[in-house]
Amino acid sequence: DTEVTQTPKHLVMGMTNKKSLKCEQHMGHRAMYWYKQKAKKPPELMFVYSYEKLSINESVPSRFSPECPNSSLLNLHLHALQPEDSALYLCASSQDPTGALETQYFGPGTRLLVL
Amino acid sequence: GESVGLHLPTLSVQEGDNSIINCAYSNSASDYFIWYKQESGKGPQFIIDIRSNMDKRQGQRVTVLLNKTVKHLSLQIAATQPGDSAVYFCADDSGGGNKLTFGTGTQLKVEL
Repeated sequence: DTEVTQTPKHLVMGMTNKKSLKCEQHMGHRAMYWYKQKAKKPPELMFVYSYEKLSINESVPSRFSPECPNSSLLNLHLHALQPEDSALYLCASSQDPTGALETQYFGPGTRLLVL
Repeated sequence: GESVGLHLPTLSVQEGDNSIINCAYSNSASDYFIWYKQESGKGPQFIIDIRSNMDKRQGQRVTVLLNKTVKHLSLQIAATQPGDSAVYFCADDSGGGNKLTFGTGTQLKVEL
């Protein structure tokens, strides 16, 4: 099973709202990722968690706040977003954060619209 | 900077034909390469990967070829089907650590 699940599928929020995106995997993977993808563009890395600790932050604005409560869950808390933050937010996971890069498995994404 | 790029933004093929999607990479130290398929409204789906100690790897109807001399990667899809219509991304580990560096993507359109 290589399934990564994400909720919600779609989200519409105003610029003053606070919302959270959720990601879950039960493959025993110890690396989890958040990506942002704009239409007709490749995914852009935002954050990497390695063994539940934040290991990479690609200079993402503080209005995006990641959280990894345990090895199976990854959240992305959203606050005071801008319309240009509207995008598909993808979660991914891979087995071992150490050593050589391994296959990353992606979830279906959350389509976010900021009004 | 280092990048992974694709030669063609759109590729149209007839159903039943073979498809070849190309990708050029610039970092000679890249060790791991992966192809993803992304259908409209979905997340990227792993297709096949290859490490730099190999030059060919085959899956079900797909083959990845790696030419390290010219830093070129290709994905071959045999007997292309309508369900193969999607955007295909190549990616590599040129970013270091756990970072995947993606190419710009190729839209594959399968004509009936």
